[in-house]
Amino acid sequence: DAKTTQPTSMDCAEGRAANLPCNHSTISGNEYVYWYRQIHSQGPQYIIHGLKNNETNEMASLIITEDRKSSTLILPHATLRDTAVYYCIVRLLIYNQGGKLIFGQGTELSVKP
Amino acid sequence: GAGVSQSPSNKVTEKGKDVELRCDPISGHTALYWYRQSLGQGLEFLIYFQGNSAPDKSGLPSDRFSAERTGGSVSTLTIQRTQQEDSAVYLCASSGWTGGGRSTGELFFGEGSRLTVL
Repeated sequence: DAKTTQPTSMDCAEGRAANLPCNHSTISGNEYVYWYRQIHSQGPQYIIHGLKNNETNEMASLIITEDRKSSTLILPHATLRDTAVYYCIVRLLIYNQGGKLIFGQGTELSVKP
Repeated sequence: GAGVSQSPSNKVTEKGKDVELRCDPISGHTALYWYRQSLGQGLEFLIYFQGNSAPDKSGLPSDRFSAERTGGSVSTLTIQRTQQEDSAVYLCASSGWTGGGRSTGELFFGEGSRLTVL
C-alpha cells in the first residue's frame, strides 16, 4: 500500500481556513486520495476523496497536485467543532465502492478561539 | 436500522476467556471492515471482506483473532484466550453501492465495541 506523510499536529484560528497537507509520493495511477477525520471518542467520518482533479463538497475542498504526489485538504472556515484528527489515505477503489483502507497517524488539528 | 450496528457496546472479560463481537453492516453493502483502536492510538486495520472473495486477513495480530462473514452480511470477530493487550475499541465499517448518485467508496462506521480484559 502507498504510504502518506502528514504533520503530527497543526493549529488554526477559528473562522480561518485550515490547510492540511499530505505527501503521497509513491501513489500509483489508480489509487485515490481519501480524507477522513475522527473527533474524540467518535468513529471516523468521511470528508472527501479524489483521483486527480480537485474536488469540493459541503465540508471541504481537496487540492491534488498535478503529479499527484501531494494533496491539501482545505476547511474554508474552521470552527471549534472541526478539532479532530485528520487522516489522509490512499487506496484502490474496488468495484467502485470497496477496497482496503489503512489509516496512518493523521494530523491532530486544534481550532482555537 | 439504517446504519452499521455493533454489539455488545461494552464487554468486560477475564484474561483467557473467548469473546465474540458482532457487526451488522448496512443492508446491501458488499465490503466490511474491522479495525481496533487502543486508548490514545490510531486505527489499526484487522480484516477486510469484499463480496464473496477471500478476506484480507493481513491485519490480524495473532492466530487468536479470527473473523467470519456469513451470507455476505453479518460478521463476527472472535478473540480466543483474551489478553490484557487486547483491550481496545473494536470498530466495524461497511461500504457499498446502494443505488443512486455517485458511489464514493465511503466507509460507514458503527459505534464500536469497547473490550476490557481484566
